[in-house]
Amino acid sequence: EVQLLESGGGLVQPGGSLRLSCAASGFTFTSYPMTWVRQAPGKGLEWVSSLTGSGDTTHYADSVRGRFTISRDNSENTLYLQMNSLRAEDTALYYCAKYLRSGGDWAFDYWGQGTLVTVSS
Amino acid sequence: EIVLTQSPGTLSLSPGERATLSCRASQSVSSGYLAWYQQKPGQAPRLLIYGASNRATGIPDRFSGSGSGTDFTLTISRLEPEDFAVYYCQHFGTYLSTFGPGTKVDIK
Repeated sequence: EVQLLESGGGLVQPGGSLRLSCAASGFTFTSYPMTWVRQAPGKGLEWVSSLTGSGDTTHYADSVRGRFTISRDNSENTLYLQMNSLRAEDTALYYCAKYLRSGGDWAFDYWGQGTLVTVSS
Repeated sequence: EIVLTQSPGTLSLSPGERATLSCRASQSVSSGYLAWYQQKPGQAPRLLIYGASNRATGIPDRFSGSGSGTDFTLTISRLEPEDFAVYYCQHFGTYLSTFGPGTKVDIK
């Protein structure tokens, strides 16, 4: 059974930093790209960042590029999101998700339950 | 950057009725890069459809996806009580992904 468990969220002041973790199990972690998606309170879904199975290629939304860094430890089956220079608009529930592998079709087929990040003074 | 527009914003229907949700892209997209998700309050999104028309594992056959180019549709043939939720379409670009704003299906 695929499981994704996020942690590391909390209350942080504007300008501060936080590192989110996502512990994965139930699948061959190194074989799949992974992603972070966030959802501000009462709002829709926003893709944040993705990286390849090896971790050598990363992509970011314009809203976080230069402030957030995605990474993974394949020996520990864990995905990370280092968030620096946090702003009030980064307040959201952060989900990690796994990429589907099905021919040329893309999607996020498994999601964690999310970890809440609140940026406020 | 491709922008996704979903309509209607809210769809009020009764159990047993048919729901038709629209997702329109600002430019033509490959069907392989179009997915649909369901999200209920307090829950993570759940993948329903990938590749525009392929049901994900465990998804009932009352859910179907169709479309190509710029116009895509999610159809729920007969609404069950558990289907009242928010539905998002998603596109995968070369280096990024975008979600539509969502359609809320609520009980009439």
